[in-house]
Amino acid sequence: QLQLVESGGGVVQPGRSLRLSCAASGFTFTKYSFHWVRQAPGKGLEWVAVISSDGRTKYFADSVRGRFTISRDDSQNTLYLQMNSLRAEDTAVYYCAGQIATGYWGQGTLVTVSS
Amino acid sequence: EIVLTQSPGTLSLSPGERATLSCRASQSVSSSALAWYQQKPGQAPRLLISGASTRATGIPDRFSGSGSGTDFTLTISRLEPEDFAVFYCQQYGTSPYTFGQGTKLEIK
Repeated sequence: QLQLVESGGGVVQPGRSLRLSCAASGFTFTKYSFHWVRQAPGKGLEWVAVISSDGRTKYFADSVRGRFTISRDDSQNTLYLQMNSLRAEDTAVYYCAGQIATGYWGQGTLVTVSS
Repeated sequence: EIVLTQSPGTLSLSPGERATLSCRASQSVSSSALAWYQQKPGQAPRLLISGASTRATGIPDRFSGSGSGTDFTLTISRLEPEDFAVFYCQQYGTSPYTFGQGTKLEIK
């Protein structure tokens, strides 16, 4: 059964770091690019980052560039988002999603940045 | 950055009626790389349409997408009770892959 399962969310103080994981199963992970998308409480969707199927190409939203890093471990079928220098405005549910046309989305993990 | 503007912000209709949602881009969307999503409270977004007009797997044919360049439309031909939700468009032709602000489709 096709699944994307995020983990690693929680409460973190401003300025600290957090790493999110997204475990994939039920499909060929290496075929696809993957995205991170976030949604602040009560707000709309915001695209965060993408990594290509070969891991060589990465793009980021202006709001996170230089602070967040996206990576993948094809041996573990896992996508990561390393978030550094966290700010209150990074508080959101973070979703991992497969290449757009696949429609593969996880259920999200909540990150709360607060002192 | 390509800015996507969705209209209307809120659409109030009754089951059985036709819904037309608009997504306008600030510049041309490359290769019609435009997707539509439906999101219900507490759930992840669900892909409805990609490539501006290709229905995703399992999406009923009452949902259709059209448009190119800077103007795109999602049409729901005959609303069912389960269709009421928030809808987002996203362009994925040019990084950053921006979303529109959403259209809330509510029961009249």
